[in-house]
Amino acid sequence: AQKITQTQPGMFVQEKEAVTLDCTYDTSDQSYGLFWYKQPSSGEMIFLIYQGSYDEQNATEGRYSLNFQKARKSANLVISASQLGDSAMYFCAMREGLRGSNYKLTFGKGTLLTVNP
Amino acid sequence: NAGVTQTPKFQVLKTGQSMTLQCAQDMNHNSMYWYRQDPGMGLRLIYYSASEGTTDKGEVPNGYNVSRLNKREFSLRLESAAPSQTSVYFCASSQPGQGAREQYFGPGTRLTVT
Repeated sequence: AQKITQTQPGMFVQEKEAVTLDCTYDTSDQSYGLFWYKQPSSGEMIFLIYQGSYDEQNATEGRYSLNFQKARKSANLVISASQLGDSAMYFCAMREGLRGSNYKLTFGKGTLLTVNP
Repeated sequence: NAGVTQTPKFQVLKTGQSMTLQCAQDMNHNSMYWYRQDPGMGLRLIYYSASEGTTDKGEVPNGYNVSRLNKREFSLRLESAAPSQTSVYFCASSQPGQGAREQYFGPGTRLTVT
């Protein structure tokens, strides 16, 4: 079974509207972390937001928020007030285990977001 | 402060040729990683080094070797390149610890094997 599933290969949103990118994960660990990265057409990987499995509140970073539903094993990214510069590929990733020196990330296949003017 | 640097940015190889992808970080991170990115597949871990002097296989290690030269540098070697190794290769680094320890990525190397 895939550890990270992003079911939306592509999404479209109008400028200034909000959009939710879906991510579900599969782990038997109690301690884990969830990440979202943005990859614009230029190719670099940009860290957006992090949610730890023990964090009680949803993470927020500016216009980005993570809708964390632990029982459903989902970690959806919400982008508010979309901008043209938000057009990019978005990857959800998971790190299993919060302690120790092993910080491998498992990535989903990504969602290509297009923001229309 | 350059972060994570990778050389070269682009490379074309013929089947059977060898090459080494170089990666260096200046953030004093203990852990370093090599990923490959193929269309529709996301990023997959090839090898990682949790700390200087250690390396371990990731999800797709076949056909690759790595060397953690020192704390700063982590190289990826293709001994006999194959067309299936055509991909974009990313190096990353992170500092172990609790909480948000995101990985910092280099700009990538686009490799084509003909």
